[in-house]
Amino acid sequence: KQEVTQIPAALSVPEGENLVLNCSFTDSAIYNLQWFRQDPGKGLTSLLLIQSSQREQTSGRLNASLDKSSGRSTLYIAASQPGDSATYLCAPSGFGNEKLTFGTGTRLTIIP
Amino acid sequence: DGGITQSPKYLFRKEGQNVTLSCEQNLNHDAMYWYRQDPGQGLRLIYYSQIVNDFQKGDIAEGYSVSREKKESFPLTVTSAQKNPTAFYLCASRHTGNTEAFFGQGTRLTVV
Repeated sequence: KQEVTQIPAALSVPEGENLVLNCSFTDSAIYNLQWFRQDPGKGLTSLLLIQSSQREQTSGRLNASLDKSSGRSTLYIAASQPGDSATYLCAPSGFGNEKLTFGTGTRLTIIP
Repeated sequence: DGGITQSPKYLFRKEGQNVTLSCEQNLNHDAMYWYRQDPGQGLRLIYYSQIVNDFQKGDIAEGYSVSREKKESFPLTVTSAQKNPTAFYLCASRHTGNTEAFFGQGTRLTVV
């Protein structure tokens, strides 16, 4: 059974800093991995989808990397802004099944 | 606009009652999902469906039921057998083949 861990559970950084969020998963036989953000009381917003054949995927100030063999993904946020404050979740998808497995997320606070 | 619509946004249920949460999508997605989110916990999969008239139990299906009579609709019924139904419920959908998943805005269910 896939297990997903996101450390730290919470992170506070001053505005303008670059930061990295971590995601670890136990079953490396994944098809892809998706990063989401969730604002309080809201649904999840898709940020990036990185395929197992890719090493990196970029969207604006966001860059996701994937090391399938070690069971790790990182989300790099450049030049952080207060609007980036949210909970970030990662979700790998396995081969042969349609399930997304989630970690508990990292709650990010950007201090103005 | 294409997307996933969950209704209602807030729902109150008396103990012993069944309630049905609505999830509709106009993205022409084959796969649809229901997740439950509790404070401090990750998203847990309740049920998912990859095709009309077929669905599978997730990790916490007890006390819940679903139907998939139409491609665009995947309602979730929280039955009286669910002992702790107060939670935030999220619906998601995507094409089959582990493509990018999209979420609705959620329904917050409270038992009174």
